[in-house]
Amino acid sequence: AQSVSQHNHHVILSEAASLELGCNYSYGGTVNLFWYVQYPGQHLQLLLKYFSGDPLVKGIKGFEAEFIKSKFSFNLRKPSVQWSDTAEYFCAVNAEDTGRRALTFGSGTRLQVQP
Amino acid sequence: EAGVAQSPRYKIIEKRQSVAFWCNPISGHATLYWYQQILGQGPKLLIQFQNNGVVDDSQLPKDRFSAERLKGVDSTLKIQPAKLEDSAVYLCASTPAGDRSGDEQYFGPGTRLTVT
Repeated sequence: AQSVSQHNHHVILSEAASLELGCNYSYGGTVNLFWYVQYPGQHLQLLLKYFSGDPLVKGIKGFEAEFIKSKFSFNLRKPSVQWSDTAEYFCAVNAEDTGRRALTFGSGTRLQVQP
Repeated sequence: EAGVAQSPRYKIIEKRQSVAFWCNPISGHATLYWYQQILGQGPKLLIQFQNNGVVDDSQLPKDRFSAERLKGVDSTLKIQPAKLEDSAVYLCASTPAGDRSGDEQYFGPGTRLTVT
């Protein structure tokens, strides 16, 4: 079974600061990786995903993530955060080779951007 | 395109009572998921349907939880009897037919359940 670790539970940044949120997964096979975001009062929505090809993935709103297979990591980055990026961010994985499509989520990182 | 609909949005019940949640996925989406999100944790799968058949219910506490998707469209999740530890947000998600593992899951707004 897969598991996902997000080590940063709560991050506070000032506007224009750079962001990197850590995500590590444990699974020996082929995986698909996702970052979902939940803005205050809104539902979970996809930020970006990786399932094959270029390990550097670009998503919406200037976010990107890099899949490093040797480190079992899929860290999320943004060079300059905005107040509107205040949200909770979830890393998730499913296994390509098991046929199980349901996502396994990390515990989330709450990002607070101060103006 | 309408999103995933869920109702009610909030529910407060006493322990040992029963409760039911409803989900209507995006039109044409064959796969439907129910997740439980306890405060401070990420969502955890309860059950997955493909059309009206159950694909994965390995993490569903079957002594008290049940779910159905009789016509392969909307779905109901029931808890009977509820326990204090069932307090959580119950999320419904759907994906298009074919359900490739790299497909995005579309989430509804969730139902926040408080058991007192």
